[in-house]
Parts: sequence; structure tokens; C-alpha cells
Amino acid sequence: DVKVTQSSRYLVKRTGEKVFLECVQDMDHENMFWYRQDPGLGLRLIYFSYDVKMKEKGDIPEGYSVSREKKERFSLILESASTNQTSMYLCAAGQPPPGGYEQYFGPGTRLTVT
Amino acid sequence: AQSVTQLDSQVPVFEEAPVELRCNYSSSVSVYLFWYVQYPNQGLQLLLKYLSGSTLVESINGFEAEFNKSQTSFHLRKPSVHISDTAEYFCAVSDRAGGYNKLIFGAGTRLAVHP
Repeated sequence: DVKVTQSSRYLVKRTGEKVFLECVQDMDHENMFWYRQDPGLGLRLIYFSYDVKMKEKGDIPEGYSVSREKKERFSLILESASTNQTSMYLCAAGQPPPGGYEQYFGPGTRLTVT
Repeated sequence: AQSVTQLDSQVPVFEEAPVELRCNYSSSVSVYLFWYVQYPNQGLQLLLKYLSGSTLVESINGFEAEFNKSQTSFHLRKPSVHISDTAEYFCAVSDRAGGYNKLIFGAGTRLAVHP
């Protein structure tokens, strides 16, 4: 089974701080994704990466950036955290077509910005 | 663009009763469909998927979903639920726009199983 790990389960940061969320996968999958999860809104895609050093914007990229220097690691960066970025952040990994299309998720990081 | 509608935000049900969680998607072109489950304080786990072939797909813990192309639906059902099925369930559809393999998720349905 693919294992996806995230660096923190819970994180509390202050407004204006730079925040790094780290994600590591152990199955050599090409694609990695960052989502945020909010009640009543489901999962919304922030950014994804289909290869090392490659990235694409998702549906809500504003206020975020990403980095993928190694295939197994995908980082989400909040350049200047704001209270409206308080959320659950989920990382996922998956294979491109003709792979299985499913994504494998980490346990999530619950970020609170005060 | 693809979209997914989960018609019920919450579904309360008694233990051993049947349940149906409804999911409709927007596109009638070829799609791949998924149900994920999220137990409290955990990430999402794949429950079942439809890629091709039989329109009825099953999970190992008794859930099943039926792909209905004419109604653009992929409803999830279980004939008899357990307390341990209490979780949030997300329906998702593949989106291959731009050549990338993305998933579009519904807003989720919270299933609460009561004794």
C-alpha cells in the first residue's frame, strides 16, 4: 500500500508567519496533490505536481505556493499565514493515466492561524 | 468543468438499517468514479471505484455503488450498517482536462449510525 505521511497532525501559527507543510510518499508515484478541507465544501485542490520541479495551480492557489525538489516530497507553503487559511490540509499521491486514477491520502494537518 | 453533488449533508440512521448516500456528477462523457471514507481525525481512504466493466462495484466491508450513466449517478448503499460505519463519505469524479489526472470531490455526507 502507498503510504503518505504529513509532518504535523496539528499546527498553530500566528498571522503573518511563513508556514511549511511537508508531505512524503513512499511508493514512487508521479503525481502529488495538496487539498484543503472545510466543512460543507468538501476537498478543494490547491496545487498539484506531476513531476519533480513541476507544478500546476488547482482551484484555490491564492496565498499558497508549493515545492517539489524530490519525487517523494511535496511541500505546501503559506507565505504569510492569514486567519482564513485555518483549515485541514490533506496531501495525496497517485499515478497518472493509465494508472488507477485513485489518490492515496495522508492523515491531514489541522492548521490554526491566530 | 466537472462537478459532483452529494445530495445529503447528513444522514442519521439506526444500526442494522439500510442506507443510501446519493451522488450525482455533471458530465455525461466517460468518467471514473470513486467513493472515499474519512473516519474521525483521519485522512481519506478509498472505499470503492468504478473505472469500467460491471456497473455495480463492491467494497470489502459491505458497501456497494452502482454507476448509472443515464442518470449521471453513483449512489452508495449498504443493506445493514454498523456503528463503525459512522464517518464522512466523499464521492469523487475524475477530471482529465488538460491531460492531468485530477479528482473533483463532492461536499461530503456525514453518516451517523445510532444504536
